[in-house]
Amino acid sequence: GAVVSQHPSWVICKSGTSVKIECRSLDFQATTMFWYRQFPKQSLMLMATSNEGSKATYEQGVEKDKFLINHASLTLSTLTVTSAHPEDSSFYICSGKWGQETQYFGPGTRLLVL
Amino acid sequence: DAKTTQPPSMDCAEGRAANLPCNHSTISGNEYVYWYRQIHSQGPQYIIHGLKNNETNEMASLIITEDRKSSTLILPHATLRDTAVYYCIVGGGSEKLVFGKGTKLTVNP
Repeated sequence: GAVVSQHPSWVICKSGTSVKIECRSLDFQATTMFWYRQFPKQSLMLMATSNEGSKATYEQGVEKDKFLINHASLTLSTLTVTSAHPEDSSFYICSGKWGQETQYFGPGTRLLVL
Repeated sequence: DAKTTQPPSMDCAEGRAANLPCNHSTISGNEYVYWYRQIHSQGPQYIIHGLKNNETNEMASLIITEDRKSSTLILPHATLRDTAVYYCIVGGGSEKLVFGKGTKLTVNP
């Protein structure tokens, strides 16, 4: 299957700082990328959908000013958690797909906010 | 909300076939059935998907009932490395994938 990478794989930051997570499709062009988060012992929750060159569409309850998503190219999307707080600590997972094709997931980024 | 129902957990003996059921009684005509699995602390891994015909690849087989209201994922010879949470998801195409709680499969030696 297609390969999606994420960087960093884990990050620890202080409360109030911002953190940027990168998501790259390595061997395909992702016209659409998705960001999910997963809390311990729970399933993945979709945060937002972004199409290359367009503004992201956020799911209900997800603050767009807190979780900034940029999808400037067909191989890169970034998620910036602004003014992070301990409750933002979670496992963040991105995925991408080309057109109507199968969606492939990255390995995830574990964020711990102290 | 997820459109599928799966048993919360299943056990399987190593070397035997693992058959994971999924109900999706409200599936619409253009929606696919996707299966992913998530091994602890990793991102979901794509396994297989289908529309109405049965599908097979190097990882698994997918059996979809004729009325498309349910399906079964078959891992023909389960290994310890197949221990994971398996998600059955209906959607795809232009639709986003909504994850349910999945089935936690434990393969026992």
